[in-house]
Amino acid sequence: GAVVSQHPSWVICKSGTSVKIECRSLDFQATTMFWYRQFPKQSLMLMATSNEGSKATYEQGVEKDKFLINHASLTLSTLTVTSAHPEDSSFYICSASQAGPTRDTQYFGPGTRLTVL
Amino acid sequence: AQSVSQHNHHVILSEAASLELGCNYSYGGTVNLFWYVQYPGQHLQLLLKYFSGDPLVKGIKGFEAEFIKSKFSFNLRKPSVQWSDTAEYFCAVNERAAGNKLTFGGGTRVLVKP
Repeated sequence: GAVVSQHPSWVICKSGTSVKIECRSLDFQATTMFWYRQFPKQSLMLMATSNEGSKATYEQGVEKDKFLINHASLTLSTLTVTSAHPEDSSFYICSASQAGPTRDTQYFGPGTRLTVL
Repeated sequence: AQSVSQHNHHVILSEAASLELGCNYSYGGTVNLFWYVQYPGQHLQLLLKYFSGDPLVKGIKGFEAEFIKSKFSFNLRKPSVQWSDTAEYFCAVNERAAGNKLTFGGGTRVLVKP
């Protein structure tokens, strides 16, 4: 149980285009989803937290107009990187948690590798 | 701000050797503590977690961790590693007062030589 998927697993795009990444909880209802980015050989950095039906809460230094997050249902959150540039190239990972006694445990997706040319 | 430190960036050891990975955090309030593992080419998986109770926590695959509140530490141990334990290990901390946001340590790459 507690499986999280991401789509696509990798994407290459041209500079200036927008890219949408999906995060789905497959067998549970994700009341909260998190988006992280991981640079090569570095740790995960939290970008934003989203609760179903609410606006996302962004971490300091993360541009909310550049990284649009939508969490419209209990099983789906999307991250859209708008007007992507080469410096946005990274590994983007989502996680999800559910309400109840395991709400403090996050289940991670496999990640999406974004390369902006 | 909350920070999590993993002192070893890389660890190389032979099969059957014992493993201990250090993790320290800076927050003085009530925390939940986690160790995640990322095997090559795979996503993060939860190894074990501590919320309350017995400070010695046992996880999957023979791993355990000990929470020492006075030292702000949550070190991960395994008495005898296997080649399949080659992976990157991340310590993470969640401040209960801040909801369930996780702060990750920098990770430790462990290479077990057969």
